[in-house]
Amino acid sequence: DAGVTQSPTHLIKTRGQHVTLRCSPISGHKSVSWYQQVLGQGPQFIFQYYEKEERGRGNFPDRFSARQFPNYSSELNVNALLLGDSALYLCASSLVVEDMGTDTQYFGPGTRLTVL
Amino acid sequence: QQPVQSPQAVILREGEDAVINCSSSKALYSVHWYRQKHGEAPVFLMILLKGGEQKGHEKISASFNEKKQQSSLYLTASQLSYSGTYFCGTEKVTGGTSYGKLTFGQGTILTVHP
Repeated sequence: DAGVTQSPTHLIKTRGQHVTLRCSPISGHKSVSWYQQVLGQGPQFIFQYYEKEERGRGNFPDRFSARQFPNYSSELNVNALLLGDSALYLCASSLVVEDMGTDTQYFGPGTRLTVL
Repeated sequence: QQPVQSPQAVILREGEDAVINCSSSKALYSVHWYRQKHGEAPVFLMILLKGGEQKGHEKISASFNEKKQQSSLYLTASQLSYSGTYFCGTEKVTGGTSYGKLTFGQGTILTVHP
């Protein structure tokens, strides 16, 4: 079975530009979460979407936005890019079994964003 | 709010054992352990729920001490393939569920030499 896929793999942008990152979850998974991982640190939670609705948002500015489509794929958008946005952006999908209280998240390979 | 992992780095010879700790100041509902190799995605290892559960995965096991809000990852008879950065991701106890929102520690770099 295909795992979580993300595109593009690498991206180079300049300050002030806009970027769109894409994620396709594992088949059957309805939840997608986005994380930012700066070199040398653990992933930091940005957004979580479940059944096309935002269910959680991390401590990121409004320049960051996301959405989930009817096929459960997701996009992360970042406007007015800053140098500090340079990072690995990870997407994770999970099945979400109600009443379990938690769920296994499976990460994609990530998109390496470099802002010059 | 970020869990604290210790040690920051550990170097082993093949066959040696290691323990990685993850501590939180918040009441935790679950702890998720991942291993990430350089340039790759984090790979899921196991989940532990509150209740002091201990789990095992081949020669890698973990425990969760609810009283201390601490989880420990045990790697026994280490292999070269165990090298990588280990992260714990935590979920706090909340009124509802918090699917998909993990707070990760800063990571522990494990290096296994022949």
